[in-house]
Amino acid sequence: DAGITQSPRHKVTETGTPVTLRCHQTENHRYMYWYRQDPGHGLRLIHYSYGVKDTDKGEVSDGYSVSRSKTEDFLLTLESATSSQTSVYFCAISESMGGYTFGSGTRLTVV
Amino acid sequence: SQQGEEDPQALSIQEGENATMNCSYKTSINNLQWYRQNSGRGLVHLILIRSNEREKHSGRLRVTLDTSKKSSSLLITASRAADTASYFCATDLQGAQKLVFGQGTRLTINP
Repeated sequence: DAGITQSPRHKVTETGTPVTLRCHQTENHRYMYWYRQDPGHGLRLIHYSYGVKDTDKGEVSDGYSVSRSKTEDFLLTLESATSSQTSVYFCAISESMGGYTFGSGTRLTVV
Repeated sequence: SQQGEEDPQALSIQEGENATMNCSYKTSINNLQWYRQNSGRGLVHLILIRSNEREKHSGRLRVTLDTSKKSSSLLITASRAADTASYFCATDLQGAQKLVFGQGTRLTINP
């Protein structure tokens, strides 16, 4: 979707290295989310943000941190990547109690 | 644990037939949403039904919601090959501005 972009689209990294994924929106939506998608688990919420500098944990937040210094950017950081964090990561945005708009995803492989 | 569970996990039908997918959830919701995901792509919002609504239509899609049974169904009428995708239900829990997704139904439309 043109209003939300994720970068990078693909990344291979080594175990123990830090990794930052970026989500950028041009919709000025208040809410931003990071999900991971794994076979057999569907989408699971990692962290979300309800405003600049306002973030909260999701159900699988261990090993991840986030930051939102501007309305348009929501960063997801893996402090020390592990093989269990190999996944497809999706960012999503929403304005209020409505549908989400998802990015195209980042495929992360930790070797 | 997952809030929403879709049934069946996989469904294969002939083009032109109707496809029905079900979703059950556990706790009170503000609304329930359905999304489609084509292979390798992000999720696309299809339809949202609020907790005080019982049925909603959008083109060939019909969604029902039964809050007493904590269940929803998505009906796709006159299926097409392009409907081949995974379909997810997601619940917007009361008191929380975040969606919880089920594991999805993989729908295959055979020409």
